[in-house]
Amino acid sequence: DAGVTQSPTHLIKTRGQQVTLRCSPKSGHDTVSWYQQALGQGPQFIFQYYEEEERQRGNFPDRFSGHQFPNYSSELNVNALLLGDSALYLCASSRDGFYEQYFGPGTRLTVT
Amino acid sequence: GENVEQHPSTLSVQEGDSAVIKCTYSDSASNYFPWYKQELGKGPQLIIDIRSNVGEKKDQRIAVTLNKTAKHFSLHITETQPEDSAVYFCAASFGRNNDMRFGAGTRLTVKP
Repeated sequence: DAGVTQSPTHLIKTRGQQVTLRCSPKSGHDTVSWYQQALGQGPQFIFQYYEEEERQRGNFPDRFSGHQFPNYSSELNVNALLLGDSALYLCASSRDGFYEQYFGPGTRLTVT
Repeated sequence: GENVEQHPSTLSVQEGDSAVIKCTYSDSASNYFPWYKQELGKGPQLIIDIRSNVGEKKDQRIAVTLNKTAKHFSLHITETQPEDSAVYFCAASFGRNNDMRFGAGTRLTVKP
């Protein structure tokens, strides 16, 4: 049973550019949450997708947007990149109605 | 909103000793408290969790205790092994499908 997968593993972008990160949830999971983890800190919640809609959102600007596809996979888009957006972006999948969230390996984004 | 504090930030123990990591939370409505282990270059791995209707939960060498009145919960690892070395995060959330608020993490080092 494949766990949560994310792509790409690493990414280097320049300030002002746009980036798209991808996530495939565990088999049987229908909910995807995205987190940002800055170096040396705990993950911070960005938003959660269920039934192809954003169900919850954390304290992140509109530059951060997402999408969920009918197969439950998800994308995170970040526009107008800032140096402060450099971080590990984590995707977590879960089943609707259940507490447990399982994380993927993350995408390391570096903005120069 | 929920605020989770975690202590200590670093912990070094001798192999075979016990390790204890403590977290406090601010929102009395929080009812789910997971613990994650994050190894270098990997995403957080769910190792144990507890819900607010339970005071203690054990899984082999790891256990979690919850004091709802004091709003704190702890992770206990017994008979530590070098492979237990990692960063451990506590988190809290309210209800199913809700975002998790994470502590800042504890870097545990187990010396052989």
